[in-house]
Amino acid sequence: GESVGLHLPTLSVQEGDNSIINCAYSNSASDYFIWYKQESGKGPQFIIDIRSNMDKRQGQRVTVLLNKTVKHLSLQIAATQPGDSAVYFCAENIGYSTLTFGKGTMLLVSP
Amino acid sequence: GAVVSQHPSRVICKSGTSVKIECRSLDFQATTMFWYRQFPKQSLMLMATSNEGSKATYEQGVEKDKFLINHASLTLSTLTVTSAHPEDSSFYICSASMETRGYTFGSGTRLTVV
Repeated sequence: GESVGLHLPTLSVQEGDNSIINCAYSNSASDYFIWYKQESGKGPQFIIDIRSNMDKRQGQRVTVLLNKTVKHLSLQIAATQPGDSAVYFCAENIGYSTLTFGKGTMLLVSP
Repeated sequence: GAVVSQHPSRVICKSGTSVKIECRSLDFQATTMFWYRQFPKQSLMLMATSNEGSKATYEQGVEKDKFLINHASLTLSTLTVTSAHPEDSSFYICSASMETRGYTFGSGTRLTVV
C-alpha cells in the first residue's frame, strides 16, 4: 500500500508485483521529464526520460507515462525486485535549463 | 556513458572552517554544472547553476558568499562551504550537463559540521 511519511510517501510492494509511482509536475511549459532512482547515500541515477511530444516511453522493465492535460507523470516498474528498493524522483525541465525535482517516493520491495 | 566524479564522498569539519567539494566530468565537457543540497527524506534543492568561465547563478535564499562556486574549466566545478556551521550539514550533489547528453549526477558528498 501507499502511505505518507514525515516527508516522503512510501510505496510497499511484494517482489514480483508491478509498481506504479506517480508524480505531479508543476510547470505546464516543461518539455522534458526524467525519472531518477536514488539509493541511500548515493547520487540520483537516470532511469528513463520522456519528451512532451510523447505520452509513453518504454525501457527495460520500466515504462513512463505522461499526461500533459493534468500535468501527471508515472513510472511503472514491471516484476519489481528487492534491488529496486530506493527513492524515486521525477524531474522536469524546460529546454535543457535547470532541473526541478519532485518530492520523491520511497519504494520498498519485500522478498 | 557520461561519468561525473565527486569528491570527497564524506567529510567532517569543525564549525567555522571551510570545506571544498570537487565535481569533475570525466569523459565529456560539461557546458553547465549544477549544485544541489538534500536534507534527509527530502528532495534535491537546486543551490546554483554555473557555466564555465562565468559567475554562478544562485537560487533565491542561497548565500553566494557562503557557498562559493568556481567553474574554472569545462570538466571541473568546485563548491566551497565557507565558515561552516552545523546547520550546513547536508548531502551535497553536483550534476554536469551537456545539451545532447542530458544530466549526469555525482555520487554526492555527506558534509557533517561538528
